[in-house]
Amino acid sequence: KQEVTQIPAALSVPEGENLVLNCSFTDSAIYNLQWFRQDPGKGLTSLLLIQSSQREQTSGRLNASLDKSSGRSTLYIAASQPGDSATYLCAVRGTPGRRALTFGSGTRLQVQP
Amino acid sequence: DGGITQSPKYLFRKEGQNVTLSCEQNLNHDAMYWYRQDPGQGLRLIYYSQIVNDFQKGDIAEGYSVSREKKESFPLTVTSAQKNPTAFYLCASRVDRGAGTEAFFGQGTRLTVV
Repeated sequence: KQEVTQIPAALSVPEGENLVLNCSFTDSAIYNLQWFRQDPGKGLTSLLLIQSSQREQTSGRLNASLDKSSGRSTLYIAASQPGDSATYLCAVRGTPGRRALTFGSGTRLQVQP
Repeated sequence: DGGITQSPKYLFRKEGQNVTLSCEQNLNHDAMYWYRQDPGQGLRLIYYSQIVNDFQKGDIAEGYSVSREKKESFPLTVTSAQKNPTAFYLCASRVDRGAGTEAFFGQGTRLTVV
């Protein structure tokens, strides 16, 4: 059974700092990996999707990498801003028999002004 | 505007009652999903549907039921058999085609047992 782990569970940084969020998964047979942002009491907003054949994806100040063989992904946030404060979730979509996403527990990020 | 609409935003249930959460999408997506989120935890899959009139149980289906009579709609019923229903419920949808298709989420329904 696929398990997804995110470290750290919480992170507090000063504004302007570059930071890395980590995601690991136990079964490397995945279709893709998706990073989401969740604000308190809200739904999920998709940030980046990396297909299993890709190594990384970039959107603005965000860069996500995928190392399928080692079961790891990182989300890099450059020049963090207070507006980046949220919970970040990673999720993997598995093999054809399991087309739904399996989620990690998230990293709660606080960027201090 | 295309998107996923969940209603209501807040729902209160008395002990022993069944309640139904609505999820509607106008994205023409094939697949739809229901997840449950408890405080400080990730999302857990309740049910999913890849096509009209077909659905499969997820990891925590006990005490829940769904239907998929229309492509646009995937309502979730929380039955009295669900012993601890207080949680945040999220609906998602996706085009069921290839590895490059993202899942999109609604804004959620917060269910509280009173």
